[in-house]
Amino acid sequence: KQEVTQIPAALSVPEGENLVLNCSFTDSAIYNLQWFRQDPGKGLTSLLLIQSSQREQTSGRLNASLDKSSGRSTLYIAASQPGDSATYLCAVKGGSQGNLIFGKGTKLSVKP
Amino acid sequence: EAQVTQNPRYLITVTGKKLTVTCSQNMNHEYMSWYRQDPGLGLRQIYYSMNVEVTDKGDVPEGYKVSRKEKRNFPLILESPSPNQTSLYFCASSLGQLNQPQHFGDGTRLSIL
Repeated sequence: KQEVTQIPAALSVPEGENLVLNCSFTDSAIYNLQWFRQDPGKGLTSLLLIQSSQREQTSGRLNASLDKSSGRSTLYIAASQPGDSATYLCAVKGGSQGNLIFGKGTKLSVKP
Repeated sequence: EAQVTQNPRYLITVTGKKLTVTCSQNMNHEYMSWYRQDPGLGLRQIYYSMNVEVTDKGDVPEGYKVSRKEKRNFPLILESPSPNQTSLYFCASSLGQLNQPQHFGDGTRLSIL
Protein backbone atom coordinates (compact mmCIF):
# COMPACT_ATOMS: atom_id res chain seq x y z
CA LYS A 1 0.00 0.00 0.00
CA GLN A 2 1.37 3.40 -1.00
CA GLU A 3 2.50 5.62 1.86
CA VAL A 4 3.65 9.20 1.54
CA THR A 5 5.83 10.84 4.18
CA GLN A 6 6.79 14.48 4.51
CA ILE A 7 9.66 15.69 6.63
CA PRO A 8 9.85 17.95 8.52
CA ALA A 9 6.32 18.35 9.87
CA ALA A 10 7.02 22.02 10.58
CA LEU A 11 9.68 24.48 9.53
CA SER A 12 10.38 28.07 10.51
CA VAL A 13 12.84 30.19 8.52
CA PRO A 14 13.75 33.88 8.25
CA GLU A 15 12.63 35.79 5.20
CA GLY A 16 14.96 35.50 2.21
CA GLU A 17 16.21 32.00 2.89
CA ASN A 18 16.17 29.28 0.29
CA LEU A 19 14.55 26.12 1.60
CA VAL A 20 13.78 22.53 0.68
CA LEU A 21 10.75 20.47 1.61
CA ASN A 22 10.97 16.71 1.36
CA CYS A 23 8.49 14.06 0.29
CA SER A 24 9.06 10.30 0.10
CA PHE A 25 6.80 7.52 -1.14
CA THR A 26 7.02 3.75 -0.77
CA ASP A 27 5.83 2.50 -4.16
CA SER A 28 7.68 3.89 -7.19
CA ALA A 29 4.89 2.87 -9.60
CA ILE A 30 3.29 6.30 -9.82
CA TYR A 31 1.65 8.29 -12.61
CA ASN A 32 2.58 11.66 -11.19
CA LEU A 33 3.36 13.64 -8.08
CA GLN A 34 1.74 16.93 -7.13
CA TRP A 35 2.72 19.61 -4.68
CA PHE A 36 -0.08 21.64 -3.11
CA ARG A 37 -0.28 24.61 -0.83
CA GLN A 38 -2.99 24.89 1.83
CA ASP A 39 -3.74 28.15 3.62
CA PRO A 40 -5.76 28.16 6.88
CA GLY A 41 -9.49 27.97 6.20
CA LYS A 42 -8.89 27.42 2.52
CA GLY A 43 -8.73 24.56 0.08
CA LEU A 44 -5.64 23.24 -1.64
CA THR A 45 -3.94 25.08 -4.46
CA SER A 46 -1.98 23.00 -6.95
CA LEU A 47 1.58 24.33 -7.26
CA LEU A 48 3.38 21.87 -9.49
CA LEU A 49 2.64 18.50 -11.11
CA ILE A 50 5.48 16.25 -12.20
CA GLN A 51 4.65 13.37 -14.49
CA SER A 52 6.40 10.06 -13.86
CA SER A 53 8.55 10.54 -16.99
CA GLN A 54 9.76 13.98 -15.85
CA ARG A 55 12.58 14.89 -13.46
CA GLU A 56 11.51 18.38 -12.45
CA GLN A 57 9.08 21.23 -12.89
CA THR A 58 9.53 24.93 -12.23
CA SER A 59 7.12 27.76 -11.57
CA GLY A 60 8.52 31.11 -10.53
CA ARG A 61 10.47 30.69 -7.28
CA LEU A 62 9.37 27.06 -6.94
CA ASN A 63 11.19 24.04 -8.29
CA ALA A 64 10.06 20.47 -7.72
CA SER A 65 12.17 17.43 -8.49
CA LEU A 66 11.23 13.79 -8.75
CA ASP A 67 13.43 10.73 -8.33
CA LYS A 68 11.00 7.88 -8.91
CA SER A 69 13.49 5.08 -8.41
CA SER A 70 14.38 6.25 -4.91
CA GLY A 71 10.83 7.31 -4.06
CA ARG A 72 11.67 10.94 -3.35
CA SER A 73 10.61 14.42 -4.33
CA THR A 74 11.76 17.82 -3.15
CA LEU A 75 10.15 21.23 -3.36
CA TYR A 76 12.69 24.02 -3.47
CA ILE A 77 11.52 27.53 -2.59
CA ALA A 78 13.93 30.32 -3.45
CA ALA A 79 14.13 33.61 -1.59
CA SER A 80 11.29 32.79 0.79
CA GLN A 81 8.73 35.47 1.71
CA PRO A 82 6.22 35.77 4.58
CA GLY A 83 3.48 35.16 2.02
CA ASP A 84 4.91 31.67 1.47
CA SER A 85 3.77 30.70 4.98
CA ALA A 86 1.32 27.82 4.58
CA THR A 87 1.12 24.05 4.79
CA TYR A 88 2.67 22.27 1.81
CA LEU A 89 1.28 18.90 0.82
CA CYS A 90 2.73 16.29 -1.46
CA ALA A 91 0.48 13.73 -3.19
CA VAL A 92 1.14 10.83 -5.54
CA LYS A 93 -1.23 9.31 -8.07
CA GLY A 94 -0.56 5.61 -8.05
CA GLY A 95 -3.27 4.13 -10.25
CA SER A 96 -5.40 4.76 -13.34
CA GLN A 97 -8.46 5.32 -11.12
CA GLY A 98 -7.05 8.66 -10.13
CA ASN A 99 -6.68 8.11 -6.43
CA LEU A 100 -4.33 10.67 -4.86
CA ILE A 101 -2.41 9.57 -1.77
CA PHE A 102 -1.40 12.53 0.37
CA GLY A 103 1.37 13.12 2.85
CA LYS A 104 0.50 14.87 6.12
CA GLY A 105 2.20 18.07 5.06
CA THR A 106 4.93 20.45 6.15
CA LYS A 107 3.80 23.60 7.92
CA LEU A 108 6.08 26.42 6.80
CA SER A 109 6.44 29.70 8.63
CA VAL A 110 8.55 32.46 7.07
CA LYS A 111 9.41 35.19 9.59
CA PRO A 112 9.85 38.80 8.42
CA GLU B 1 -13.56 32.62 -12.81
CA ALA B 2 -12.69 28.92 -12.82
CA GLN B 3 -13.69 27.42 -9.51
CA VAL B 4 -14.99 24.53 -7.47
CA THR B 5 -17.83 25.62 -5.18
CA GLN B 6 -18.93 23.73 -2.09
CA ASN B 7 -22.00 24.40 0.05
CA PRO B 8 -22.42 24.76 2.90
CA ARG B 9 -19.04 25.92 4.18
CA TYR B 10 -19.95 25.11 7.77
CA LEU B 11 -22.62 22.85 9.24
CA ILE B 12 -23.42 21.65 12.74
CA THR B 13 -26.04 18.93 12.88
CA VAL B 14 -27.13 15.92 14.90
CA THR B 15 -26.63 12.20 14.55
CA GLY B 16 -28.96 10.54 12.06
CA LYS B 17 -30.21 13.64 10.27
CA LYS B 18 -29.58 13.19 6.54
CA LEU B 19 -27.49 15.88 4.91
CA THR B 20 -26.07 16.71 1.51
CA VAL B 21 -22.95 18.71 0.71
CA THR B 22 -23.06 20.10 -2.79
CA CYS B 23 -20.10 20.51 -5.13
CA SER B 24 -20.16 22.30 -8.45
CA GLN B 25 -17.38 23.09 -10.93
CA ASN B 26 -17.50 25.44 -13.91
CA MET B 27 -14.49 24.10 -15.83
CA ASN B 28 -16.18 21.24 -17.72
CA HIS B 29 -13.97 18.78 -15.85
CA GLU B 30 -14.63 15.08 -16.26
CA TYR B 31 -13.04 13.89 -13.01
CA MET B 32 -14.41 14.84 -9.60
CA SER B 33 -13.70 13.50 -6.14
CA TRP B 34 -14.40 13.97 -2.44
CA TYR B 35 -11.81 13.94 0.35
CA ARG B 36 -11.95 14.27 4.09
CA GLN B 37 -9.14 15.82 6.11
CA ASP B 38 -8.58 14.83 9.72
CA PRO B 39 -5.79 15.82 12.14
CA GLY B 40 -3.03 13.23 12.16
CA LEU B 41 -4.56 11.32 9.24
CA GLY B 42 -4.24 13.84 6.44
CA LEU B 43 -6.42 13.85 3.35
CA ARG B 44 -8.19 10.64 2.35
CA GLN B 45 -10.34 10.02 -0.68
CA ILE B 46 -13.99 9.10 -0.09
CA TYR B 47 -15.44 8.69 -3.59
CA TYR B 48 -14.53 9.72 -7.09
CA SER B 49 -16.22 10.00 -10.47
CA MET B 50 -14.56 9.74 -13.86
CA ASN B 51 -17.60 11.05 -15.74
CA VAL B 52 -21.38 11.34 -15.65
CA GLU B 53 -23.00 8.25 -14.10
CA VAL B 54 -19.55 6.74 -13.34
CA THR B 55 -18.62 6.68 -9.66
CA ASP B 56 -16.38 4.50 -7.52
CA LYS B 57 -15.21 4.12 -3.94
CA GLY B 58 -12.05 5.68 -2.62
CA ASP B 59 -10.23 4.72 0.57
CA VAL B 60 -12.92 5.60 3.13
CA PRO B 61 -16.39 5.28 1.52
CA GLU B 62 -18.32 3.83 4.47
CA GLY B 63 -21.28 5.99 5.50
CA TYR B 64 -21.25 8.12 2.35
CA LYS B 65 -23.06 8.16 -0.98
CA VAL B 66 -22.48 10.17 -4.13
CA SER B 67 -24.18 10.73 -7.46
CA ARG B 68 -23.08 12.24 -10.77
CA LYS B 69 -26.14 13.05 -12.84
CA GLU B 70 -24.62 16.13 -14.44
CA LYS B 71 -21.02 16.81 -15.36
CA ARG B 72 -20.71 19.92 -13.21
CA ASN B 73 -22.22 18.57 -9.97
CA PHE B 74 -21.02 15.89 -7.56
CA PRO B 75 -22.97 15.94 -4.27
CA LEU B 76 -21.84 14.05 -1.17
CA ILE B 77 -24.67 12.49 0.82
CA LEU B 78 -24.58 11.37 4.43
CA GLU B 79 -27.74 9.30 4.89
CA SER B 80 -27.34 8.84 8.65
CA PRO B 81 -24.45 10.96 9.90
CA SER B 82 -22.50 9.88 12.95
CA PRO B 83 -19.99 11.76 15.14
CA ASN B 84 -17.02 9.98 13.49
CA GLN B 85 -17.93 11.79 10.28
CA THR B 86 -17.09 15.12 11.89
CA SER B 87 -14.37 16.38 9.59
CA LEU B 88 -13.26 18.91 6.99
CA TYR B 89 -14.45 17.85 3.53
CA PHE B 90 -13.02 18.88 0.18
CA CYS B 91 -14.35 18.45 -3.33
CA ALA B 92 -11.88 18.45 -6.22
CA SER B 93 -12.03 18.27 -9.99
CA SER B 94 -9.65 17.84 -12.92
CA LEU B 95 -9.87 17.69 -16.68
CA GLY B 96 -8.90 14.01 -16.71
CA GLN B 97 -7.97 11.43 -14.13
CA LEU B 98 -4.33 11.05 -15.09
CA ASN B 99 -1.79 13.84 -15.60
CA GLN B 100 -3.98 16.84 -14.84
CA PRO B 101 -3.74 19.00 -11.71
CA GLN B 102 -6.67 18.81 -9.33
CA HIS B 103 -8.58 21.94 -8.38
CA PHE B 104 -10.01 22.04 -4.86
CA GLY B 105 -12.97 23.77 -3.31
CA ASP B 106 -12.58 25.81 -0.11
CA GLY B 107 -13.86 23.01 2.09
CA THR B 108 -16.90 22.20 4.22
CA ARG B 109 -16.47 21.85 7.97
CA LEU B 110 -19.03 19.35 9.31
CA SER B 111 -19.71 18.80 12.99
CA ILE B 112 -22.00 15.89 13.88
CA LEU B 113 -23.20 15.98 17.49
